Amino acid sequence: DIVMTQSPDSLAVSLGERATINCKSSQSVLYSSNNKNYFAWYQQKPGQPPKLLIYWASTRESGVPDRFSGSGSGTDFTLTISSLQAEDVAVYYCEQYYYTPRTFGQGTKVEIK
Amino acid sequence: QVQLVQSGAEVKKPGASVKVSCKASGYTFTDYYMHWVRQAPGQGLECMGWINPKNGGTNYAQKFQGRVTMTRDTSISTVYMELSRLRSDDTAVYYCARENDYYEFWGQGTLVTVSS
Repeated sequence: DIVMTQSPDSLAVSLGERATINCKSSQSVLYSSNNKNYFAWYQQKPGQPPKLLIYWASTRESGVPDRFSGSGSGTDFTLTISSLQAEDVAVYYCEQYYYTPRTFGQGTKVEIK
Repeated sequence: QVQLVQSGAEVKKPGASVKVSCKASGYTFTDYYMHWVRQAPGQGLECMGWINPKNGGTNYAQKFQGRVTMTRDTSISTVYMELSRLRSDDTAVYYCARENDYYEFWGQGTLVTVSS
């Protein structure tokens, strides 16, 4: 199975500051035929299901604030929250949907400093 | 709007089976694959497999093969996930998730507790 490794496991950021989460895949998730990275980011708040934030590595889901952005290609990806808000406190997961079985990172907990 | 509504929490004894339902609305049921993803308490997300509602075709993660069965009833736009020979480490929240390559929509989750 493809291993997705997120870093850090947790981070505390002051309100209004930038938060950066990294995710590394054990194999490339870039499909050369369409030049798409089969990679997504999800946000999960306590007691709720995950919520799609970013797909194709950098496409923001409709309704997601533009302070959330995704970047990267191949095996290395980044989720950036440009100006952390109180409502962004959550666990964030990366996922690859290129290989079967699909696999997630272990999660990164984001808190307010 | 798209909604995935799952059945309620279950408590089962080790060795028993559980069947969780996921009723879809707001879109054409047969147009999208449905996946099942579980999350043990305080843990991460684990994909169990998927079902193609159009023809009932399935694909199960190797870890669950032989224990999981995914079915659907197109007349009521509902998919089911049955897990047999339950163990204590099957205690988890089970989610259905509609696939549009990525997981675009999720059910609210169903807590399955396995305890003697």
